[in-house]
Amino acid sequence: EAEVAQSPRYKITEKSQAVAFWCDPISGHATLYWYRQILGQGPELLVQFQDESVVDDSQLPKDRFSAERLKGVDSTLKIQPAELGDSAMYLCASSQNSRTQYFGPGTRLLVL
Amino acid sequence: GQQLNQSPQSMFIQEGEDVSMNCTSSSIFNTWLWYKQEPGEGPVLLIALYKAGELTSNGRLTAQFGITRKDSFLNISASIPSDVGIYFCAGQLTQFYFGTGTSLTVIP
Repeated sequence: EAEVAQSPRYKITEKSQAVAFWCDPISGHATLYWYRQILGQGPELLVQFQDESVVDDSQLPKDRFSAERLKGVDSTLKIQPAELGDSAMYLCASSQNSRTQYFGPGTRLLVL
Repeated sequence: GQQLNQSPQSMFIQEGEDVSMNCTSSSIFNTWLWYKQEPGEGPVLLIALYKAGELTSNGRLTAQFGITRKDSFLNISASIPSDVGIYFCAGQLTQFYFGTGTSLTVIP
């Protein structure tokens, strides 16, 4: 069964450092989402792509976060500089029809 | 953002018991999704609902799209230890909004 791939699974960094997360969606899924999930809460959307275009990045803290999906397939989410409050699970999801989403295993970030 | 209220917040049940949980919102949604998440993992899609009143099953799981389109329900019959996890609802407007989750513990 096709799955969303994410790497790394875990990342520990010091504040003010740069971090990057990678996501490879299910083949053929045009829509890709990045979510942030704080412990004890549900995921919250950071950015949504349709192919290589950003559809919604209204909740992305653009002073430090950036996301790209240059060829409309895999995607990278970057944080620079990382802050203590960025510690969370970063989840990638993909969708074929925008009405169902499939999540990857996530990247757990710890900022020290 | 939209607020989705899930209840109960947590449940402790005996193996074999049935489970019911729900998700409510002040907004009308076009789609409801139910996910299960285990520690350190991403949410796994359980059931998708696309029409008001729709009732859909997946094995021992049954979910319903509320008639008002502002709520959804998930039932698990004859719970087993591997049902342990956090269950999230998600409602769709232009984007998906997630509830705060229901934590389920099954006591063998």
